[in-house]
Amino acid sequence: QQQVKQSPQSLIVQKGGISIINCAYENTAFDYFPWYQQFPGKGPALLIAIRPDVSEKKEGRFTISFNKSAKQFSLHIMDSQPGDSATYFCAASKETSGSRLTFGEGTQLTVNP
Amino acid sequence: NAGVTQTPKFQVLKTGQSMTLQCAQDMNHNSMYWYRQDPGMGLRLIYYSASEGTTDKGEVPNGYNVSRLNKREFSLRLESAAPSQTSVYFCASSRTGTNGYTFGSGTRLTVV
Repeated sequence: QQQVKQSPQSLIVQKGGISIINCAYENTAFDYFPWYQQFPGKGPALLIAIRPDVSEKKEGRFTISFNKSAKQFSLHIMDSQPGDSATYFCAASKETSGSRLTFGEGTQLTVNP
Repeated sequence: NAGVTQTPKFQVLKTGQSMTLQCAQDMNHNSMYWYRQDPGMGLRLIYYSASEGTTDKGEVPNGYNVSRLNKREFSLRLESAAPSQTSVYFCASSRTGTNGYTFGSGTRLTVV
């Protein structure tokens, strides 16, 4: 079963625009929510992560917004650049059971110049 | 500073053939993982090893076996390859507890 649902499957944004990718999870025991970025031919790389004790985390142009009651979290990319074009995965895990991550389906982001 | 190294990068197998995908990490991580990536399905966990000497099934273990050879190496074996195992396979490692995974660059496997 897919415990982490991600949308949209693909996203096209103009340079300078805001990219928004959403994820929803089912397991209320999840307590770690990372986002990974993957370029073609490469493995995913950790981009930013949040724990449920905060509602927002910002690192540069990347922000995670977290809504615990709705069991949703999202990635916002401000001032999107062509170099941000990649596949983005959200994920979730329960720290008490180790660090096995459950990933969303992925979003292919294209930023047009 | 290699991180996670996977070999081979590409492989074509005939149905019924066997092969082993190799993975090694040099970060002294305790935990290692094998995922497969398929379009529209994200990354699905095949097997993982929380520490040297232990392995456990993930979400999609059927048709695969693993060996945690030592702390550095974690191999994935396909005993009798099937076309449904055509995929990109990623190995990852992490320190014990919830820390960021470090992924290898993947093995693209095609079974014909």
